[in-house]
Amino acid sequence: AQSVAQPEDQVNVAEGNPLTVKCTYSVSGNPYLFWYVQYPNRGLQFLLKYITGDNLVKGSYGFEAEFNKSQTSFHLKKPSALVSDSALYFCAVRDRIRASGTYKYIFGTGTRLKVLA
Amino acid sequence: KAGVTQTPRYLIKTRGQQVTLSCSPISGHRSVSWYQQTPGQGLQFLFEYFSETQRNKGNFPGRFSGRQFSNSRSEMNVSTLELGDSALYLCASSSGQENTGELFFGEGSRLTVL
Repeated sequence: AQSVAQPEDQVNVAEGNPLTVKCTYSVSGNPYLFWYVQYPNRGLQFLLKYITGDNLVKGSYGFEAEFNKSQTSFHLKKPSALVSDSALYFCAVRDRIRASGTYKYIFGTGTRLKVLA
Repeated sequence: KAGVTQTPRYLIKTRGQQVTLSCSPISGHRSVSWYQQTPGQGLQFLFEYFSETQRNKGNFPGRFSGRQFSNSRSEMNVSTLELGDSALYLCASSSGQENTGELFFGEGSRLTVL
């Protein structure tokens, strides 16, 4: 079955330090992978996606993610964390439903990022 | 371009009641999906509508239903509310075409069942 795992419930990092939020996936075929961010009492906002091409994907707010096919990972990174990056981050994979030819999205359980001043 | 609009933002109901939530997608988007977000379960997929037809459905009981209108606006209904239905209900829209992919979320409707 297709799945997405975010192994860390929470990640703490000092402001100015690099951050990594981990995501691994299990999906047949070529994956479409996404990262979203959720600020308190808000909906999810799209950060970046990987469909094909360069394994390093750049997104909004200085975030980037590295697709690693051999490790089935899609970790979110930022070279220098800001306090304002503190939020809930979700990894997601788009899964093709063979019977209908349509798609559904599977989300990880989320990782709370806390950037300390 | 206006974003995804969900109403109401907050509501309180009691067990046994029913609730209807509304979602207006981004103009031109034909796909509307609904998700339930709870602290312990993350985002759980409820259903997706495309051009007024339910295209996909998650693993929720029949008390959860939805529909989509010709203008792509969507509603979801939960009948016979239970305490466990307390959650943030998120609506997301997309063009529905294969070559895009990202979802655009509303701010959610926070339902509290007492």
